[in-house]
Amino acid sequence: DGGITQSPKYLFRKEGQNVTLSCEQNLNHDAMYWYRQDPGQGLRLIYYSQIVNDFQKGDIAEGYSVSREKKESFPLTVTSAQKNPTAFYLCASSIGLAGGTYEQYFGPGTRLTVT
Amino acid sequence: DAKTTQPTSMDCAEGRAANLPCNHSTISGNEYVYWYRQIHSLWPQYIIHGLKNNETNEMASLIITEDRKSSTLILPHATLRDTAVYYCIVRAGTASKLTFGTGTRLQVTL
Repeated sequence: DGGITQSPKYLFRKEGQNVTLSCEQNLNHDAMYWYRQDPGQGLRLIYYSQIVNDFQKGDIAEGYSVSREKKESFPLTVTSAQKNPTAFYLCASSIGLAGGTYEQYFGPGTRLTVT
Repeated sequence: DAKTTQPTSMDCAEGRAANLPCNHSTISGNEYVYWYRQIHSLWPQYIIHGLKNNETNEMASLIITEDRKSSTLILPHATLRDTAVYYCIVRAGTASKLTFGTGTRLQVTL
């Protein structure tokens, strides 16, 4: 099946621990994105990558880190520096390098709870 | 990216057309209008996008006013499964991100 996979669906961590969320796509898309959604709110961009070995900060990058070593993978690490890490994390991808008019396709998301 | 304004919530009877408005009065010439929806607890789903002309696909129609300052997403025959939050997003063609607002919560009822 083609698409974007995120695992796990639910993740629980203790405060002070780093945690890495996985995102894999087999759509051969160049661009990948990480968003965060809090209850009742829209999505906010954390990081995005337009090509392998390159990524840019989004609107709320503090406390997060990413890597893009392979085209199909874009893992997100939530570090202990992130003040309010509990949220719904969504990964997306799109075809184009410089955006164009290409729509973004989303994975099913990971719900992270930090206590 | 230009800001958008959408009503917080709307109701629609099943089988009727759902018309969801979006105001984007500060849109610039190279910015497209995108619509996504998010069914409760799931991920956002792309619906449609357009620049100037009206667009239609298997899911919906997008009507953009001639001055491009507003648009309407039309679901021609709403079903209960169309109950979701609908996001109107304005994005430049060369931009790489989508800026989501809080959207319109559409409730389709029997």
